[in-house]
Formats: sequence, C-alpha cells, structure tokens
Amino acid sequence: NAGVTQTPKFQVLKTGQSMTLQCAQDMNHNSMYWYRQDPGMGLRLIYYSASEGTTDKGEVPNGYNVSRLNKREFSLRLESAAPSQTSVYFCASSETGTGGYEQYFGPGTRLTVT
Amino acid sequence: SQKIEQNSEALNIQEGKTATLTCNYTNYSPAYLQWYRQDPGRGPVFLLLIRENEKEKRKERLKVTFDTTLKQSLFHITASQPADSATYLCALLGNTPLVFGKGTRLSVIA
Repeated sequence: NAGVTQTPKFQVLKTGQSMTLQCAQDMNHNSMYWYRQDPGMGLRLIYYSASEGTTDKGEVPNGYNVSRLNKREFSLRLESAAPSQTSVYFCASSETGTGGYEQYFGPGTRLTVT
Repeated sequence: SQKIEQNSEALNIQEGKTATLTCNYTNYSPAYLQWYRQDPGRGPVFLLLIRENEKEKRKERLKVTFDTTLKQSLFHITASQPADSATYLCALLGNTPLVFGKGTRLSVIA
C-alpha cells in the first residue's frame, strides 16, 4: 500500500516549456487534489476532482490544467511554464461525503522554472 | 474573503513543556477543522479532526479545542519532545474544499 505517489520528485524547466506532473493513489479514494506550496503563502489549492470524471478550479488555477484519468490517477499540466510557477506541488486524496475526511498527501514535486 | 491565521510563524519551547498553537479564522463557517503536521521536504500528515459541535478532541499527547464563537482553535502538545519539532497546519472544511493556514513552525529545545 503505497498511499499517494507523485512523479517526478524534482524538475527544472525553462520558461515556456510544458510538463505534466503525475499523481496516483491506491486507497480507492473518490477525491483528489493538487496544491502548490510557496514560502510564506502556505498550501493553496490549484484544482480538485471530487469524483472520477469531474474537475473544479481551486484558488489558483491560472496556468494549469488537470486530467482525472481514472479513479486512481490525477495529473497536472503546465502548458507554458513561467518562473512564477516555481514551487513545491503536492497531490492529495480523500474520501468524499459528509464526515470531514482527512487528506493523504504525496511526497511532493519540487519544480524550478528558469 | 475567507481568512485563516496561525498565531505565529515560529514557536520555540523547552522540552517537557506544553506547546500551544493558535488558529483563527474570519468570514468562514467551517463544519470541520483539521490539524496536520509537516516535516521539512515532506507532505503534510493528518493529526486530528474536530467537528463544529465538538469542543475538544484528544489523541495521546495532542489536544484540540474548537470555539466557533471566538472563531478559534487551539492545538496543544503536552510533554513536548524534540521529535515534535515540525510545522503544524490548521485547515478548515465547510462548503468549499479544505483551506489551509500558513502554518506554525514549532521547535522543541532539549
């Protein structure tokens, strides 16, 4: 039981390049999330998927796209990377419904855009 | 707009003492409040959840209180140990997905 896995762990991009961050969970959770974490800003929600086939914008969606490939996998794409997207990206998953279910986080992807 | 404030960026305490971290919020009516621990270079890990109709929750050396009138949660670690040193995040869940505070970095000094 690996929990939430993310690839890659580290990435350096040049401005304008594109890339996809991959996330997978093996806990059969319905909901998945993408966050970015910047010094002094805390964790901010980029996009989330409450269930397979649905995606919604979070607090900071500009410059990103997501795909909920199936129940296990949720990817985040940067079409044209900008230095402002230098950050640590975390994927998370949780149960859905009433109950305030906790989120399980992956180890993060450290992205630098030069 | 919704706002979550954790009382300080950093808190230093002596080993064995009780650490108390504060989470205040405005313009929000959360149904649940959660606390997470984050170690350097790692993702947050869930610690405790408290519902809006609960005043207090305990788990081993951890205690959380939730005052919806004051719009505040207190997170206590009793008999603190150097291994408790980490960043602690509060998070609110209501009609919107989980919203996180910026965290308080706790250092427990031996």
